[in-house]
Amino acid sequence: IAGITQAPTSQILAAGRRMTLRCTQDMRHNAMYWYRQDLGLGLRLIHYSNTAGTTGKGEVPDGYSVSRANTDDFPLTLASAVPSQTSVYFCASSEGWGTGYTFGSGTRLTVV
Amino acid sequence: QQQVKQSPQSLIVQKGGIPIINCAYENTAFDYFPWYQQFPGKGPALLIAIRPDVSEKKEGRFTISFNKSAKQFSLHIMDSQPGDSATYFCAASRRRSQGNLIFGKGTKLSVKP
Repeated sequence: IAGITQAPTSQILAAGRRMTLRCTQDMRHNAMYWYRQDLGLGLRLIHYSNTAGTTGKGEVPDGYSVSRANTDDFPLTLASAVPSQTSVYFCASSEGWGTGYTFGSGTRLTVV
Repeated sequence: QQQVKQSPQSLIVQKGGIPIINCAYENTAFDYFPWYQQFPGKGPALLIAIRPDVSEKKEGRFTISFNKSAKQFSLHIMDSQPGDSATYFCAASRRRSQGNLIFGKGTKLSVKP
């Protein structure tokens, strides 16, 4: 089934540890995105990539980094996790600007 | 500006009712307005989208109404069912921008049997 695969599904992480959230799509979409979802705050964009080899900062990029070595993969790294990064993280992809997004099922991250 | 303001935060209706969720935007350059539906434990899924050259779009029981002059758009769910209970997000973007989708904060809809 075409779509986006995120891993892990959930994770409890000690503060200060490094963590990489994985995201893979099989739709050959050019653009990919990382959002975090927090109660009452909706979906906030962390980083995006409009095509392989390029990335950009979203609304809440601090403490996160991304890379886009190829079309299919878009990992999100927390270099040194803090409790405020406790959230549900969604990866998404789209064919391009102004088109619908396909979302993954999310990673629930708890930083303690 | 980049904001998309969504209301209400939560909504409870009886089965068969017509819930209406409203969104307002500020950036007149926005030209793509999708709605997403999210069930608990799942990622958001595209429900319906509209571009500013039309005032209304229907897909099944879901209708988007768009008022360009007021910079507002809304989602109506006809004959709502308990299975429509979910969180709904409106969003907006510019087709030729790297600004990506800007989401509203979401509306939690509960349809009572």
